[in-house]
Amino acid sequence: GEDVEQSLFLSVREGDSSVINCTYTDSSSTYLYWYKQEPGAGLQLLTYIFSNMDMKQDQRLTVLLNKKDKHLSLRIADTQTGDSAIYFCAEDVFGNEKLTFGTGTRLTIIP
Amino acid sequence: KAGVTQTPRYLIKTRGQQVTLSCSPISGHRSVSWYQQTPGQGLQFLFEYFSETQRNKGNFPGRFSGRQFSNSRSEMNVSTLELGDSALYLCASRRGRDTEAFFGQGTRLTVV
Repeated sequence: GEDVEQSLFLSVREGDSSVINCTYTDSSSTYLYWYKQEPGAGLQLLTYIFSNMDMKQDQRLTVLLNKKDKHLSLRIADTQTGDSAIYFCAEDVFGNEKLTFGTGTRLTIIP
Repeated sequence: KAGVTQTPRYLIKTRGQQVTLSCSPISGHRSVSWYQQTPGQGLQFLFEYFSETQRNKGNFPGRFSGRQFSNSRSEMNVSTLELGDSALYLCASRRGRDTEAFFGQGTRLTVV
């Protein structure tokens, strides 16, 4: 079955890198996503990685996927105050027609 | 290109009433799915529609229903509202299977 776990909180100094981690259980996952949610807003798709990839880089964002350990991470380089938000990872299993979300990690930036 | 549009943004209803929420997907997207977000349960899948057919349904009571129209717009309905139905309801739009899901801003439903 599907289960996605994330740590609840992360605090990072402005200018440092943030690393948000996620573990999932379903080895049939096809895509793994990272979404950002700011207060009062919906979910903004940040990036995604296909399950046959190990890494994907998109400007300040780097996604790493360890399929053996079913571990996904999102690295945000040069973290800014505008990066303060809740970050959700989600897995997509082919044929399920739904995303299974983690609990979300609240990223706080320390000036 | 317009994003996913959900209306209304905010709703206040009384226990026992019913409510209908609307979602217009991105042009060309035929899959619409709905999620409920609460502080206690997080993001929970409600149902997914593709070409007017429901393909999957989450573990919610029958008071929660939905439909999709021929133009891909979707509505969800909640009957006999309970206090616990207070939540942010999010709609996601996809072109098809195994494509990126884009979310709307959500409808904040408060049941009093």
